[in-house]
Amino acid sequence: DIQMTQSPSTLSASVGDRVTITCRASQTIGTWVAWYQQKPGKAPNVLVYKASTLESGVPSRFSGSGSGTEFTLTISSLQPDDFVTYYCQQYDTYPWTFGQGTKVEIK
Amino acid sequence: EVQLVQSGAGVKKPGESLKIACQASGYSFTRNWIGWVRQMPGKGLEWMGIIFPRDSDTRYSPFLQGQVTISADKSSSTAFLEWRSLKASDTGIYFCARLNGYIDSWGQGTMVTVSS
Repeated sequence: DIQMTQSPSTLSASVGDRVTITCRASQTIGTWVAWYQQKPGKAPNVLVYKASTLESGVPSRFSGSGSGTEFTLTISSLQPDDFVTYYCQQYDTYPWTFGQGTKVEIK
Repeated sequence: EVQLVQSGAGVKKPGESLKIACQASGYSFTRNWIGWVRQMPGKGLEWMGIIFPRDSDTRYSPFLQGQVTISADKSSSTAFLEWRSLKASDTGIYFCARLNGYIDSWGQGTMVTVSS
């Protein structure tokens, strides 16, 4: 299985900060990566797919980049609603796999 | 609008069976893979398996080792996840999801509690 190593597991930041979350794949996966946001008690929602394509309706402060084995999700200016958990996922090779998650906390 | 509506929470004893459902609407059910994702209490997301409703082609994640069965009924646009013999370690939230390569729609989740 392809392992997705996500870091950091926890991130402390303030409203207005720029933050970056990283995922490393155990083998090359092109750009077949998606990023999801999960609020407590809710199903996740996709933010970015194909590494850098923003899902319709997602605020432009979210962006994704990367290819091969290194991928990043950047939030350019944290808003109060953004202090939740984020997951990367590869969909290059089945079984699809998720990163371990990054919880963004208020500093 | 694509919607995936899951069946309600279940409380079961170890050894009991359970089948949960995910009813799709707003798109042609046979055109997309449907997947099941689990989330244990306080933990991350894990793929369980996927099914292509048109021909019921099904793939399971290796760690499941026959512990669950995934199926689909085209006539009711519903996917199912079934356990023959539940364990306490099956306690968690189970999400169905529509695949468009990535997951573009999620069900609301079904909480399964297994306790004696």
